Amino acid sequence: EAGVAQSPRYKIIEKRQSVAFWCNPISGHATLYWYQQILGQGPKLLIQFQNNGVVDDSQLPKDRFSAERLKGVDSTLKIQPAKLEDSAVYLCASSLTGESTGELFFGEGSRLTVL
Amino acid sequence: AQSVTQPDIHITVSEGASLELRCNYSYGATPYLFWYVQSPGQGLQLLLKYFSGDTLVQGIKGFEAEFKRSQSSFNLRKPSVHWSDAAEYFCAVSGLAGNMLTFGGGTRLMVKP
Repeated sequence: EAGVAQSPRYKIIEKRQSVAFWCNPISGHATLYWYQQILGQGPKLLIQFQNNGVVDDSQLPKDRFSAERLKGVDSTLKIQPAKLEDSAVYLCASSLTGESTGELFFGEGSRLTVL
Repeated sequence: AQSVTQPDIHITVSEGASLELRCNYSYGATPYLFWYVQSPGQGLQLLLKYFSGDTLVQGIKGFEAEFKRSQSSFNLRKPSVHWSDAAEYFCAVSGLAGNMLTFGGGTRLMVKP
C-alpha cells in the first residue's frame, strides 16, 4: 500500500516569496491534515479536510496561508508571503473516516527554510 | 482546551536498559491517547493507542504504555532498548478517534552502546 506522498521534500526561499506544498493521501482516506512542525516542537494542526470540505482551520494563519483539496483527493498548502517564522517541516497526514482506528498516516514532510 | 506535556526533552539510555518516557495530558472528557515515533528524515509512525478498556496497551516494536486516569498520564515503556530505538517520541491526545490530535513537544531518545 502506497503511503502519503509529499513534495517537495526541501524548499529554500527568501522572506516575502511564495511557496506551495503538495500532498497525495493514501487511497480511500477521506480525511486529510496539514501539520506544521517547528524545530524542537511537536506538530501543530493547521487544517483538516473531510473530503473536499474544511473541518477545522482555526490555527491556520489565513492572512498568508491557504490550503485546498479540490476533488477530495490531493491537497496543496500555500504560503504567501513567507516569513522567517514559517521555517518548519510541513507534514501531511491522512486517515479513514467513520469507524476510525484513530491512526493517522503521515508523509515524510516538506522542510521549508525561509531566509 | 486539550494539551500534552512531555517533561523530558532529552533522554539517554544504554542499550539493553529499560526505558520510560513520561506523558501528561489535560482533557475534559475521556481522552484518546497515542504515542508516535519519528525517526530522522521519516514521517511519524504510530506506536500504540488507547481508546478504552485495558489500561495497559501493547504496541509495535516491543513498546507498551499505561493509562492512569488519576494521574492524567500515559507513559511509554520498553523493557530493553535497542540502538534502533533512537528517535523522537511524541505523545498525543484527541477527543475523537484520531482526529484533531494535539501533540506534546516530544522527547528525543539517544541510545548509548
